[in-house]
Amino acid sequence: EAEVAQSPRYKITEKSQAVAFWCDPISGHATLYWYRQILGQGPELLVQFQDESVVDDSQLPKDRFSAERLKGVDSTLKIQPAELGDSAMYLCASSLEAGVSTDTQYFGPGTRLTVL
Amino acid sequence: EDQVTQSPEALRLQEGESSSLNCSYTVSGLRGLFWYRQDPGKGPEFLFTLYSAGEEKEKERLKATLTKKESFLHITAPKPEDSATYLCAVQFDRGSTLGRLYFGRGTQLTVWP
Repeated sequence: EAEVAQSPRYKITEKSQAVAFWCDPISGHATLYWYRQILGQGPELLVQFQDESVVDDSQLPKDRFSAERLKGVDSTLKIQPAELGDSAMYLCASSLEAGVSTDTQYFGPGTRLTVL
Repeated sequence: EDQVTQSPEALRLQEGESSSLNCSYTVSGLRGLFWYRQDPGKGPEFLFTLYSAGEEKEKERLKATLTKKESFLHITAPKPEDSATYLCAVQFDRGSTLGRLYFGRGTQLTVWP
């Protein structure tokens, strides 16, 4: 069964350091999402890609966060510099294509980030 | 203001004790409502999608229903392995990026033997 892959699964870093997360969506999925989930809350969208284009990054803190999906397949989310408040689970999801009737989003296992 | 509200926040059931979880939303123009299950330290696992009022979907001991402003996830004769956080998410037709999901905070379900 096809799955969304993410790495690393866990990351511990110190404040002001740079961190990067990688996501490989289900093959053939055009839409890729990055979410942040704080403990005890639901996931919140950070950025949405359609192929290699950003279609929604309104909730992305652009002074420190960046995301790219250069070839429209895998994606990288970067934080520089990391702050204590960035500690959370970072989830990647993919769907066939946003807006079609079967655009169910499938999630990866997530990356648990701890900033010390 | 939360657009998606789930209740209760936590629910403890004895094995075999049926119950329901609630998800209500405040914005009009629902495109779809999604239920996910999330185990501790893992990503959400897709359960159901509902598109219109009156629709029902079933999977094993779970049954999801949708009305005009809320959805219920009914759990019949739960087992300890049903313990997880259940997340509700909605997609809207208007005023939102196509495909974007808005999640509730989840209901943490514990089923004890």
